[in-house]
Amino acid sequence: QKEVEQNSGPLSVPEGAIASLNCTYSDRGSQSFFWYRQYSGKSPELIMFIYSNGDKEDGRFTAQLNKASQYVSLLIRDSQPSDSATYLCASNSGNTPLVFGKGTRLSVIA
Amino acid sequence: DAGITQSPRHKVTETGTPVTLRCHQTENHRYMYWYRQDPGHGLRLIHYSYGVKDTDKGEVSDGYSVSRSKTEDFLLTLESATSSQTSVYFCAIRSPGTGVVAGANVLTFGAGSRLTVL
Repeated sequence: QKEVEQNSGPLSVPEGAIASLNCTYSDRGSQSFFWYRQYSGKSPELIMFIYSNGDKEDGRFTAQLNKASQYVSLLIRDSQPSDSATYLCASNSGNTPLVFGKGTRLSVIA
Repeated sequence: DAGITQSPRHKVTETGTPVTLRCHQTENHRYMYWYRQDPGHGLRLIHYSYGVKDTDKGEVSDGYSVSRSKTEDFLLTLESATSSQTSVYFCAIRSPGTGVVAGANVLTFGAGSRLTVL
């Protein structure tokens, strides 16, 4: 059973702080890793994708991948109240369907 | 939602009745997926399709069937709905990523269909 594990939270951070969201995966064959953001009552939307070890940055978001430790993380710098949402980690390999974690709820306190 | 629509958006039905949810895309993408989302369980794959008449099961396929008779439509059917199938159902299409997600196969989700089985 391929699994993606996330802490369900809630993770509360003050406005302007760095939010760190973590994810582990069980399938060593996983090649691609995704972070989706889901606002309450809305559908998930993709915000980051990473497939190589190391960091990938886009604006305030940085995705980090460590394949040896089977660990993926998402850092959000200068967190804003508008970042309050549930963040879903997902992985797959090749054409296999994405396997999602249960999500971490982030609350940014103004 | 980027060329993908789900219908109905809300439905209340009774145990034992059949229910069909429709997913329609205007993007002509080959891969389509049905997920359900429940508190404490996250998104779980029900069925997916990789072409017309080509479908496969996901991790929670029991009690569900699907059909894809044309590229644009992917139907999810609950033959005899049960209360355990009360959930939010999301359809998704897969497309090549661009920009920061270039190189990825990106899932774009529909707005969701909230189903309540009494």
